[in-house]
Amino acid sequence: TQLLEQSPQFLSIQEGENLTVYCNSSSVFSSLQWYRQEPGEGPVLLVTVVTGGEVKKLKRLTFQFGDARKDSSLHITAAQPGDTGLYLCAGLNAGNNRKLIWGLGTSLAVNP
Amino acid sequence: GAVVSQHPSRVICKSGTSVKIECRSLDFQATTMFWYRQFPKQSLMLMATSNEGSKATYEQGVEKDKFLINHASLTLSTLTVTSAHPEDSSFYICSARYEAGATQYFGPGTRLTVL
Repeated sequence: TQLLEQSPQFLSIQEGENLTVYCNSSSVFSSLQWYRQEPGEGPVLLVTVVTGGEVKKLKRLTFQFGDARKDSSLHITAAQPGDTGLYLCAGLNAGNNRKLIWGLGTSLAVNP
Repeated sequence: GAVVSQHPSRVICKSGTSVKIECRSLDFQATTMFWYRQFPKQSLMLMATSNEGSKATYEQGVEKDKFLINHASLTLSTLTVTSAHPEDSSFYICSARYEAGATQYFGPGTRLTVL
């Protein structure tokens, strides 16, 4: 069974601080996606990383895919209250069924 | 990006009744749709995968007779929660993709409360 371990599960920080969320697996993924979800809404795709070692930036968010395509990280610089939400990583299964394997999520609260 | 809608967004029903939730891909044809369940501040739990024109594939532990899924067209899938009980109360989210390996686009979710 493929698993994707996401940490930390909960994070409460002050505005302006930096943070990193990690997703780790022993399995290889063909790609990995990061989502952000607000209460009462569906997840919104932030980025898809495909190539081992790939780094993508989205304003203050930096996403990295591990060289072996087994792990990924999301780094937020100078967090703002608007960054508050549930962050989810999901790896696309490299096998035939092509299902998304989900991390448990990181609930982030940025306090003003 | 592609748009997926869900209806209703919220539903409250009495225990023992059945509830139908619709998932529509508005601007693309979805060969596959997925149904998820989510508890507060937790990740998404895949319930079933639905391919247009064929029977849904349910994840282990999900009762197929309780959660009926129909994917009769390339733009519509429905999830019917039969004989709902309070423990079925949850946030149900669908997603849709055009083809295997393509990006999944998520609906806004349906909040089900069973009294």
